Amino acid sequence: AQSVAQPEDQVNVAEGNPLTVKCTYSVSGNPYLFWYVQYPNRGLQFLLKYITGDNLVKGSYGFEAEFNKSQTSFHLKKPSALVSDSALYFCAVRVVLTGANNLFFGTGTRLTVIP
Amino acid sequence: KAGVTQTPRYLIKTRGQQVTLSCSPISGHRSVSWYQQTPGQGLQFLFEYFSETQRNKGNFPGRFSGRQFSNSRSEMNVSTLELGDSALYLCASSLGAPSSETQYFGPGTRLLVL
Repeated sequence: AQSVAQPEDQVNVAEGNPLTVKCTYSVSGNPYLFWYVQYPNRGLQFLLKYITGDNLVKGSYGFEAEFNKSQTSFHLKKPSALVSDSALYFCAVRVVLTGANNLFFGTGTRLTVIP
Repeated sequence: KAGVTQTPRYLIKTRGQQVTLSCSPISGHRSVSWYQQTPGQGLQFLFEYFSETQRNKGNFPGRFSGRQFSNSRSEMNVSTLELGDSALYLCASSLGAPSSETQYFGPGTRLLVL
């Protein structure tokens, strides 16, 4: 069975400081990993994905994520947080070779950037 | 290129009624997936359609159904609404092949069941 864990419901960080939003996964095959962001009353916006290759993935709005196979983690990072980064962040996984296109989502982490 | 559009954006229904939600994917995308988002259960996969065929289905009762048209537009229907069906329903589109493709989400339809 596939699952994604986001261990922190809430992350607070001061503007200008680096931020990390944690994600770990459990799958029975090779994963494709995604990060999405959701602003109030909006759908999900794609940030970045890991498919294969370089473990450090760069995405939209200055975000990046590092795939760590041994720790089954895919933490989202940004060197310098902006107040406008405050939102709900979701990690998601899709398993390769299952023939299924659907994503399994974590429970989300609410990021608050404090001015 | 226009994004995924969903109509209506908001709906209020009463228990026992049925509802139909619509989703227009990004031009050229042939796969449409539906998700339900609630505070308690989070984001859960409902079903996926590709070339007018249901390709995958989540763990939801038969009251939830969908279809896809030849132009890739999709509808989902919920019959005999229950209070617990109140949620944000999100549609996502992708090119089609189940692989590394990104799913792009619409703004959602917020359904309130009274």
